[in-house]
Amino acid sequence: NAGVTQTPKFRVLKTGQSMTLLCAQDMNHEYMYWYRQDPGMGLRLIHYSVGEGTTAKGEVPDGYNVSRLKKQNFLLGLESAAPSQTSVYFCASADSNSPLHFGNGTRLTVT
Amino acid sequence: RKEVEQDPGPFNVPEGATVAFNCTYSNSASQSFFWYRQDCRKEPKLLMSVYSSGNEDGRFTAQLNRASQYISLLIRDSKLSDSATYLCVVNPYGANNLFFGTGTRLTVIP
Repeated sequence: NAGVTQTPKFRVLKTGQSMTLLCAQDMNHEYMYWYRQDPGMGLRLIHYSVGEGTTAKGEVPDGYNVSRLKKQNFLLGLESAAPSQTSVYFCASADSNSPLHFGNGTRLTVT
Repeated sequence: RKEVEQDPGPFNVPEGATVAFNCTYSNSASQSFFWYRQDCRKEPKLLMSVYSSGNEDGRFTAQLNRASQYISLLIRDSKLSDSATYLCVVNPYGANNLFFGTGTRLTVIP
C-alpha cells in the first residue's frame, strides 16, 4: 500500500517550458488536491477534485490546469512555467471520513 | 482577512516544558478542525482532529473555542522529537476544502 505517490520529486524548468506533475493514490479516495507551499505562505490550494472526471479551482489556480481522468490519478499541468511557480507542490487525497493523506512533494524550480 | 491565522513563532522551549499554540479562524460556520505536523522538507501529517468537546492524545491536547473562533494545541513534557512545524487546518466551506495556517515552528532544546 503506497498511499499517495508524486512524480517527479525534483524538477528544474526554464521559463516558458511546460510540464505535468503526476499524483497517484491507491486508497480509492474520492477527493484529490494539489497544494503549493511557499515560505511564509503556508499551503495554498491550487485545484481539487471531488471525483473522477471533476475538477474545481482552489485559492491560487492561475497558470495551472488539472485533469482527473481516472479516480486514482490527478495531474497538474504547467503550460508555460514562470519563476513565480517555483515552489514545493504537494498532492493529497481523502474521502469523506478520512484526513488528508499527502504525497512526498515535488520541488520545482523555474529559472 | 485570512481564513486561518497562526503565530509563526519560533517557539524555543527546553525539554520537559509545556507549550501551547493558538490558531484563529475567520468563518464562524467552519465545520472541522485539525492540527497537522510537518517536519523540515517533508509532507504534512495529521497530528489530531479537534472536536468540540476537546480531545487528548497522550501528551497532546486540542481544544476548540467556537465563541472566540480559535483552536489550540497543548504539548506537555516536550520531547526533542516534537521539534517541527505545526499547521492549523480549518474546513470552512465543506466539500473537503481545507485551509492551512502558515504554521508555528517549535524547537525543543536539550
